[in-house]
Amino acid sequence: KQEVTQIPAALSVPEGENLVLNCSFTDSAIYNLQWFRQDPGKGLTSLLLIQSSQREQTSGRLNASLDKSSGRSTLYIAASQPGDSATYLCALKTSYDKVIFGPGTSLSVIP
Amino acid sequence: NAGVTQTPKFRVLKTGQSMTLLCAQDMNHEYMYWYRQDPGMGLRLIHYSVGEGTTAKGEVPDGYNVSRLKKQNFLLGLESAAPSQTSVYFCASIDARLKQYFGPGTRLTVT
Repeated sequence: KQEVTQIPAALSVPEGENLVLNCSFTDSAIYNLQWFRQDPGKGLTSLLLIQSSQREQTSGRLNASLDKSSGRSTLYIAASQPGDSATYLCALKTSYDKVIFGPGTSLSVIP
Repeated sequence: NAGVTQTPKFRVLKTGQSMTLLCAQDMNHEYMYWYRQDPGMGLRLIHYSVGEGTTAKGEVPDGYNVSRLKKQNFLLGLESAAPSQTSVYFCASIDARLKQYFGPGTRLTVT
């Protein structure tokens, strides 16, 4: 059974720092992995989507990598800003009818 | 282009009452999903649809019914609400790359 974990559960960093969020999974049979951010009381905003055949995706200050052999994805945020404060979720699509979300990492960027 | 919209945004029900949540998307996507998000449980798939006129059960379907009479709309129904159905409900629309686009959510409280 696929299990998804995200460590750390919470992270607090000073503004300007580069940081890495982790998403680990137990089964490498996935269609894709998607990173989202969720602001308190809001919906999910898609950040990056990595297909199973890809190794990484970049958008602005964000870079996501995927290593299926080790069961790991990382989300790298460069030069963090207070506006980056949110909960970050990874979601694995394991088949057309199954999506498994990680529990999330709550990020706080201190001005 | 509104993306994915959900109505209502908030609702309070008494135990035993019924209601329907509406999800609408204007991106011509075939796949649509309904999730619930609960503290400590993360997001879980309730029901999904792979096209107009088709629906299927997800991870936690009990107590819910769905219909997809039109491609752009996916309805989630609660026939007899229970306190255990207090949650935040999210709809997602999925494109051909299996990228998910989320609605803003419906916060439901059952007393």
